[in-house]
Amino acid sequence: TQLLEQSPQFLSIQEGENLTVYCNSSSVFSSLQWYRQEPGEGPVLLVTVVTGGEVKKLKRLTFQFGDARKDSSLHITAAQPGDTGLYLCAVSGGYQKVTFGIGTKLQVIP
Amino acid sequence: GAGVSQSPSNKVTEKGKDVELRCDPISGHTALYWYRQSLGQGLEFLIYFQGNSAPDKSGLPSDRFSAERTGGSVSTLTIQRTQQEDSAVYLCASSLVSLTTDTQYFGPGTRLTVL
Repeated sequence: TQLLEQSPQFLSIQEGENLTVYCNSSSVFSSLQWYRQEPGEGPVLLVTVVTGGEVKKLKRLTFQFGDARKDSSLHITAAQPGDTGLYLCAVSGGYQKVTFGIGTKLQVIP
Repeated sequence: GAGVSQSPSNKVTEKGKDVELRCDPISGHTALYWYRQSLGQGLEFLIYFQGNSAPDKSGLPSDRFSAERTGGSVSTLTIQRTQQEDSAVYLCASSLVSLTTDTQYFGPGTRLTVL
């Protein structure tokens, strides 16, 4: 059983469409992170959310941490081909080992 | 400043040979992770070093895999008697751990191909 469940695992959309991907767990976390990995590179941190109900925006990306701090969503508005990549959520508890979800592989078709 | 570096960037080896992969973390980062990523897949945790604590080796897939971190800095992942299923990208990440956050900084990876 995965600590973090990400859905969908694969998503292929047309340029300009909106999308939402999810990261869910039955556990409560002090913080949650989203990373994006582009082909041939290592993952890069997009955002860290720490407060239940918190919403953070990064240009066309909107991240939300659930009120109970068990889940998170990432919404992309007007997707562009440059958004193509693997989106990973990750959690840790202070000095505990970081755990990643399996990721959502997004393809944005021009 | 310098990020995480890994070497070699690509390694092709024959089945049965031993390989060593190197990771140079960001200076001052206390935590270091090794992951394996097969083509199109997510990250598979291998091993975790945190300060002077005993490493968490729970992700190592077999006893052919080992890793060490010398002087709290550079780490080497060793795979003995390589098999074709070991072919993957091996990623290293380091972080400066605090009670509130644990941002991981990844290297570019080493692509290992076992023929």
